[in-house]
This record gives sequence, C-alpha cells and structure tokens, in this order.
Amino acid sequence: NAGVTQTPKFQVLKTGQSMTLQCAQDMNHEYMSWYRQDPGMGLRLIHYSVGAGITDQGEVPNGYNVSRSTTEDFPLRLLSAAPSQTSVYFCASSYSQANTEAFFGQGTRLTVV
Amino acid sequence: AQSVTQPDIHITVSEGASLELRCNYSYGATPYLFWYVQSPGQGLQLLLKYFSGDTLVQGIKGFEAEFKRSQSSFNLRKPSVHWSDAAEYFCAVAPINFGNEKLTFGTGTRLTIIP
Repeated sequence: NAGVTQTPKFQVLKTGQSMTLQCAQDMNHEYMSWYRQDPGMGLRLIHYSVGAGITDQGEVPNGYNVSRSTTEDFPLRLLSAAPSQTSVYFCASSYSQANTEAFFGQGTRLTVV
Repeated sequence: AQSVTQPDIHITVSEGASLELRCNYSYGATPYLFWYVQSPGQGLQLLLKYFSGDTLVQGIKGFEAEFKRSQSSFNLRKPSVHWSDAAEYFCAVAPINFGNEKLTFGTGTRLTIIP
C-alpha cells in the first residue's frame, strides 16, 4: 500500500529555475491538497483539488501552479523559484465524504538559493 | 475565517510523566478536529479525530483528546509518555460537512522527552 507518494524528497534550486513537485496517490481519493511547512507557522494550504479538472487556491497560492488531469496525480509547479519558497512541501489526499481523514506524503524539502 | 491556536511552542516532559498539549480553535460552528504527529523528517500521521458524539476520543499510541465546546478546545493528553513520543504535534480543523481538502493547522508544539 503506497498511499501518498511525493517525489523528489530533496531538491535544491537556483533562483529563477522552474520545477515540478510530484504527488501521486493510489487510494482513489477525490480530494488532494498541497501544503507548505515553515518553522513556527505550521502547515499552510497552497492549492487544492476536489476532483480531476478542478483546482482552487488556498491560503498561499502565489508563485505556484497546479493542475489535475487524473484522479491519481496532483503536481505542484514552481515557475520561477524564489528564496521565499524554501520550505517543506506536503501533499495530502482524502475521500470527499466529510467524516474522513487526510493522508499525507513524506514531504519534499526544497531549498532555493 | 477559521483559526487554530497552539499556545505552547515547545514542551519538555520527563519519560513516564503525563502530558497535555493545548489546542483552541476559532470557527463559526463546531468543526471537525484532528491531532497529527510528525516525527523528525517524516510526514504527518493522524493520532485521533473528532467528528461528533462522545467528546472524549481515543487515538493511537495511547493518546486521547477531549473536545470542550464551551472552551473551543481540543486538548491532547497521554497519561505516561515514552521517549518515542518526542515529535511535533499539530492540531487541525476542517469545516463541518465538507471534505478534508482544506485543513487549517495550528503552528505546532514540539515535544521533548527527558530521561
């Protein structure tokens, strides 16, 4: 049971570079989300999706793009990385029913220099 | 907008001692409530959740939490901590009757266990 898989685990980027953080889940969950974790700030929602083809912005969406072409995958794109995007990124997925839990990936630690 | 407050940034307890981590939330109605644990370098693991019913909920690893509507609190407790409980703990809320695509997290409490 793979659950939620994030790749890569670690990444160093130069300012201005682009990259895609991958997230895949094998639980047939409708909902998927991206969070960033910064010291002293907990996890903050970047973007989320309630199904294939449907995405929306969370609390801190600037500088990030998402798309959801399949139920399984929800990639997060950084078009032009900035040092302020240095963070640990977590992907989560859940069923659409209200009284369920979210499952999290192991995270991607991104450093922008 | 909903918010979650974890007033204790860092707590140190002795192994075998009891533990209580505080969580207060602000929301128009009673939300769904969760406690997650994050070990160093790991993702988040769900400890327990409250949706409705009995206000004292049991979770994994011997943890429990009590929902108090009058205090808008959902404090996490454990009678006797083990060295393996050292981790960061996050309280989170989700809007009632919706899915969990939009969790709001507290800032976390880091737990240190001393021998």
